[in-house]
Amino acid sequence: RKEVEQDPGPFNVPEGATVAFNCTYSNSASQSFFWYRQDCRKEPKLLMSVYSSGNEDGRFTAQLNRASQYISLLIRDSKLSDSATYLCVVNRANTDKLIFGTGTRLQVFP
Amino acid sequence: DAGVIQSPRHEVTEMGQEVTLRCKPISGHNSLFWYRQTMMRGLELLIYFNNNVPIDDSGMPEDRFSAKMPNASFSTLKIQPSEPRDSAVYFCASSLAPGASNEQFFGPGTRLTVL
Repeated sequence: RKEVEQDPGPFNVPEGATVAFNCTYSNSASQSFFWYRQDCRKEPKLLMSVYSSGNEDGRFTAQLNRASQYISLLIRDSKLSDSATYLCVVNRANTDKLIFGTGTRLQVFP
Repeated sequence: DAGVIQSPRHEVTEMGQEVTLRCKPISGHNSLFWYRQTMMRGLELLIYFNNNVPIDDSGMPEDRFSAKMPNASFSTLKIQPSEPRDSAVYFCASSLAPGASNEQFFGPGTRLTVL
């Protein structure tokens, strides 16, 4: 089983739609969780950290469910500029190492 | 502010040749990471340094790969000899301090093609 698993997509949604991605992780002792965004042929960039209580940043909401070991990202009112690959990232327990999922591709169309 | 700088941006070489990738982390950052990204395996951590010291190189695929960080502002990843299966995008990232909770800032990557 992979340490971090994501649905690769693609998710094709119209502008203005709400879309949600889930990600599961295998090690219950992991403590740090993130969503990174990667545009085509570019480097990954931090989108947001994921906190136990859930957190929101504008149109983006991240949630963590420790009992079920999954993380979610909700994007409201999708924009064309949201088209990218979204990487779920979890630390390997008791280390400084980050484990990246293979990403979920989002395509927002007009 | 300058971000993480990597060179070259593209490298095409023939099997058996030595390849050296270079990275300059963000000034003041104490942790540096080398990753490899392929379609099949995604982004994989190869090695990381804290305060110029290699901490974990368990992701380095084999002895053909080596990495150094002679000072706080420079690191290299060397592949010798290179093989076609090494073709990938290699990213360098840095963070302010050790610890998985710290944001990692990625460079633009080096796209390596080994023929």
